Amino acid sequence: SQQGEEDPQALSIQEGENATMNCSYKTSINNLQWYRQNSGRGLVHLILIRSNEREKHSGRLRVTLDTSKKSSSLLITASRAADTASYFCATDGNTDKLIFGTGTRLQVFP
Amino acid sequence: GAVVSQHPSRVICKSGTSVKIECRSLDFQATTMFWYRQFPKQSLMLMATSNEGSKATYEQGVEKDKFLINHASLTLSTLTVTSAHPEDSSFYICSATIEHRVVTEAFFGQGTRLTVV
Repeated sequence: SQQGEEDPQALSIQEGENATMNCSYKTSINNLQWYRQNSGRGLVHLILIRSNEREKHSGRLRVTLDTSKKSSSLLITASRAADTASYFCATDGNTDKLIFGTGTRLQVFP
Repeated sequence: GAVVSQHPSRVICKSGTSVKIECRSLDFQATTMFWYRQFPKQSLMLMATSNEGSKATYEQGVEKDKFLINHASLTLSTLTVTSAHPEDSSFYICSATIEHRVVTEAFFGQGTRLTVV
């Protein structure tokens, strides 16, 4: 399977703490994307990082990419209860298909 | 941003019946759409690539006669789950992509929760 893996599978933190999720993938990529999914809902695109970029910021989100290790991390700073969701990385594998990671379920307690 | 509308959001059907799920790109044309399936607490698994005007491309292990895909226009793809069984109960999500110069941007429907009883 080409599916990437994410860790941790589940993460519980208090509001105000930072949350870090990691993603590993298997193939070469053009870009890597992070998505958020609230329970039972569709996916919302968070951020895209290209294969020639190493770090990218968007608001409270910080994404890093290490193509030599085929890994990426998503950091959510100063987390809020509303950040509770599942987070998925997705890679394009040099194709037009998106291959999703296994996801991290984040729970932020007020 | 671009909008992809998926309908219905929830459907309950009896075993043996067929269910059709629609995926529409509302403000852009999508020559390619993708269908994903998601089991509870798991990731999305790509089922098939829907190509406008031609046959869909199915991923390994996905039965094409079971999951019929029709992409008759540039704004509509449908997934029909034929002779549904309880094990087909799942969350189905479609996506459509817009290709920019160096990156492809994906937009997702809201998903359809199928329950087969």
